[in-house]
Amino acid sequence: EVQLVESGGGLVQPGGCLKLSCAASGFTFSSYAMNWVRQTPGKRLEWVSYINGGGNSIFYADSVKGRFTISRDNAENSLYLQMNSLRVEDTGVYYCARQTTTYDSWGRGTLVTVSS
Amino acid sequence: DIVMTQSPDSLAVSLGERATINCKSSQSVLSRSNNKNYLAWHQQKPGQPPKLLIYWASTRESGVPDRFSGSGSGTDFTLTISSLQAEDVAVYYCQHYYSTPWTFGRGTKVEI
Repeated sequence: EVQLVESGGGLVQPGGCLKLSCAASGFTFSSYAMNWVRQTPGKRLEWVSYINGGGNSIFYADSVKGRFTISRDNAENSLYLQMNSLRVEDTGVYYCARQTTTYDSWGRGTLVTVSS
Repeated sequence: DIVMTQSPDSLAVSLGERATINCKSSQSVLSRSNNKNYLAWHQQKPGQPPKLLIYWASTRESGVPDRFSGSGSGTDFTLTISSLQAEDVAVYYCQHYYSTPWTFGRGTKVEI
């Protein structure tokens, strides 16, 4: 069974930083592209970042480019999102999502709140 | 970016009745190279993460009940729940994967 478990969320002030983690199990992690997708307080879903299985192809949404960094450790079956210069509008639940044709498996998410 | 517009925002359906959700993309998500529509539907129940229901506009994900069906092509798509069950109360999102960035509709809340 595919399992994705996010961690690392919390309350942070504007301008602060957080590092999210996603522990994967139940599949050959290195064979799959992975994504971070966030859900805003208004329940909108927004793609944040993509990384391919080998970690050498990476894309970001314009809204986070230059502030967020996605990475993965295939030996540890883990996905990461380093978030710097956080803004109030980055508040939301962050999901890691496995990609096949599209997002076929989602974790339960971790809540990030950016507020002073 | 491709904008996905869903309608209605919410609907109330009696148990056993049909629910129909519409999704329109701002440009075609039909690939001429493989004649496939790059359109998916996800279901999100209260307190849970999204779950993939349908991809390629009409292919059900493994384990999804056959009361769920997707149709449409190009820019106009529909998700139909043929006989609504209590466990189908959720928000349903359409999402394209035709080009980056992949984007979602704003969701349709289905209630009893």
